[in-house]
Amino acid sequence: NAGVTQTPKFQVLKTGQSMTLQCAQDMNHNSMYWYRQDPGMGLRLIYYSASEGTTDKGEVPNGYNVSRLNKREFSLRLESAAPSQTSVYFCASSLLQGNPGELFFGEGSRLTVL
Amino acid sequence: EDKVVQSPLSLVVHEGDTVTLNCSYEVTNFRSLLWYKQEKKAPTFLFMLTSSGIEKKSGRLSSILDKKELFSILNITATQTGDSAVYLCALGDYNQGGKLIFGQGTELSVKP
Repeated sequence: NAGVTQTPKFQVLKTGQSMTLQCAQDMNHNSMYWYRQDPGMGLRLIYYSASEGTTDKGEVPNGYNVSRLNKREFSLRLESAAPSQTSVYFCASSLLQGNPGELFFGEGSRLTVL
Repeated sequence: EDKVVQSPLSLVVHEGDTVTLNCSYEVTNFRSLLWYKQEKKAPTFLFMLTSSGIEKKSGRLSSILDKKELFSILNITATQTGDSAVYLCALGDYNQGGKLIFGQGTELSVKP
């Protein structure tokens, strides 16, 4: 059972470079989310997709874009990386559209921007 | 704006101790409050609470919600070293679709 799979697990970028974090879930969930986690800050929502074809901003969307490619996949793009985007990124999914129940998380992607 | 505050931020106890972790919140339209445990990697789900006064229990862990006073507690009895983790509290709001707003987390360290 793969659950939620994120790639890459680690990435080092230079300021100004771009990259895309990929996320896929195989649980037929409707909603998907991207969070970032920084020391002492808990998890902060970047963007979410309540259902295929929709995306919405979370608490900290600046500097990021997302694409809900299909029901399984939700990608997060950094167009011009900045040191402030150094963080651990988590993708998550949930079954019920619009219902904040249990989230299933991926293993995380550690991004360092130099 | 919805807000979740956890306390304490960190806690060190010895095996066998009982601990209580706190989560207070502000929300426009409460829907649910969830607890997660995070060890080295991804958070894992513990409990979801929607009604006041009803205790959820799983082994040595239990949690309860007070919607009048706007807080929840997570209790762990007879702690073990395997309970060492960051415990996260998260809030669901009816007006926010399926999003969860997380607190800062409480880092629990259980010493042998």
